[in-house]
This record gives sequence, structure tokens and C-alpha cells, in this order.
Amino acid sequence: DAGVTQSPTHLIKTRGQQVTLRCSPKSGHDTVSWYQQALGQGPQFIFQYYEEEERQRGNFPDRFSGHQFPNYSSELNVNALLLGDSALYLCASSLAAGYGYTFGSGTRLTVV
Amino acid sequence: AQSVTQPDIHITVSEGASLELRCNYSYGATPYLFWYVQSPGQGLQLLLKYFSGDTLVQGIKGFEAEFKRSQSSFNLRKPSVHWSDAAEYFCAVGSYSSASKIIFGSGTRLSIRP
Repeated sequence: DAGVTQSPTHLIKTRGQQVTLRCSPKSGHDTVSWYQQALGQGPQFIFQYYEEEERQRGNFPDRFSGHQFPNYSSELNVNALLLGDSALYLCASSLAAGYGYTFGSGTRLTVV
Repeated sequence: AQSVTQPDIHITVSEGASLELRCNYSYGATPYLFWYVQSPGQGLQLLLKYFSGDTLVQGIKGFEAEFKRSQSSFNLRKPSVHWSDAAEYFCAVGSYSSASKIIFGSGTRLSIRP
């Protein structure tokens, strides 16, 4: 039973560029949440998708957007990259009814 | 404001010794509490969670945590640590009403002395 799969594992982008990160949830899960983890810090909630809609959003600018597909997979898009966007981006999946997050291994984004 | 405080940035204990990692939270609603572990370059693994009921919660890998409402604490304990326990540990809080958003502490890095 595959867990949460994220791609790519590592990514280097130039300031001002756009990036798309991908996440496939654990089998049976229908809700996907995205977190940003800066070096030496705890994860920060970006947003959550359920039934292809953004259900809740953390304190992140509109440069951060997402999408959920009918098969429950999800994408995180970041526009106009800043150096401060360099972080580990974690995807977590769960059932809508409650907690039980399963985290992926993350995508390490470096902005230069 | 909702927050989680892990006052110890880095702890070193000897292999076989007992461990306690501290966590304090500030949360208006009835909290759901979690402990996660993260090994270098890896995602987060859930160790244990508290929703309601018995305030002493057992988790995986021999860990346990105790919810103390009067102290707003949820400390993680293990009676005897193993070298493989070296990792970053995160305390987190959420609530049923928030449904999705979990707030994490800044983490405690655990090192094991041989």
C-alpha cells in the first residue's frame, strides 16, 4: 500500500520563476494538505484541498495556489519565487472525516 | 493566539536513559494533540495523538505522552532511548472545529550519546 508520494524530491529554481509540486495521496484518502517547512522550523500550514476545492488556507500570499484533481492528487504552484520560498514542502493526506495525516517525504525547493 | 511551544531546541541523552520532551500549547478550543518524528531528509511520522479520554496516550516505538489540561502541556516520554531514536520531534495541536489546520511547534532535536 503506497503512502503519500511527492515529486520531484529536489528542485532548484531561479528567483522570479514559477514552480509546480505534485502529490499523490495515500490510497483511500481524499483530502490533501500542504505544508512549508523552512530550515530549522516546524511545518507551516499552507492550505488544504477536499473535493477539488480549497477548504482552508494558512497565512500565505496568493502566489501560493493549488489544485486537486478528481483522483485526489494535488499540485502546489508558487509564482514569482522569492529566496525565502526555499524550504521543504510537505504534502499530507487524510480522510475528510478526521485526522490521521500521512505525510510524504517532501520536495526540497531551493531558490537561487 | 494558537501556538505550540517546545522550549528545548536540542537535547542529548545517553542510550538507555529515559527521555522527556516538553510541549506547551495555547489553544482556545478543546485541543487535539499530536507528536510527530522526522528523520533527516524524511517526512513526518505520527508517534501518537490525543483526542479525548485517558490522558496518558501510548504510541509507536515505545513512546507515550501525558495530556495535562491544567498545565496546557503534552510532554512526550520514553523510558529507555535507542540510538535509532535520534531525530527531530514535533508537537502539534489542532481541533475538531478547525477540521484541518494543525499547528506545529518548532521542534526538538534529539541526539543520542553512545
